[in-house]
Amino acid sequence: AQRVTQPEKLLSVFKGAPVELKCNYSYSGSPELFWYVQYSRQRLQLLLRHISRESIKGFTADLNKGETSFHLKKPFAQEEDSAMYYCALSDLGNEKLTFGTGTRLTIIP
Amino acid sequence: DAGVTQSPTHLIKTRGQQVTLRCSPISGHKSVSWYQQVLGQGPQFIFQYYEKEERGRGNFPDRFSARQFPNYSSELNVNALLLGDSALYLCASSLTRKRGTEAFFGQGTRLTVV
Repeated sequence: AQRVTQPEKLLSVFKGAPVELKCNYSYSGSPELFWYVQYSRQRLQLLLRHISRESIKGFTADLNKGETSFHLKKPFAQEEDSAMYYCALSDLGNEKLTFGTGTRLTIIP
Repeated sequence: DAGVTQSPTHLIKTRGQQVTLRCSPISGHKSVSWYQQVLGQGPQFIFQYYEKEERGRGNFPDRFSARQFPNYSSELNVNALLLGDSALYLCASSLTRKRGTEAFFGQGTRLTVV
């Protein structure tokens, strides 16, 4: 069965410091991975997906099939990055998403 | 565009009752999915509907049912409510049902079962 694991429920980082939110997955096939973000009082929204290989708001994520990981990184944290972050995996053949439990990121001024 | 809209935003039900939650997708989106988010957990997939047909179902009991209407709006029904059904119910719409398609989420309906 597919599974997404986010080992950190809470993560606090000082402004300007690097950020890394961890995500590991188990999936018997070629995975499609995403990071979704939920800012305070806003709806869940897509941050980035691995197929796009793009950087959004300074965040990047690289799919490492050997380590079955898709960690989210940003070199210099900003206060507006404080939010709830969810790693998600898309099922083969449709867009059903399997989410991790989420990491609440707090940027300390 | 208002995005995905869900109604009601909050409701309280008594154990054993039935509830209907509603979702209007983004205009042009034909796929609607429902997720349950229990406090402290990530969203968990319940149903996917595309072109008015059920295309996927998560590990939920038969008390949960859904449907999609010709205008692509959707309803989620839960019968014989249990205390454990208390959660945030999220609706997401997408343009297609292809893998990797971006899902756009609504604000959710907060259901409390007492």
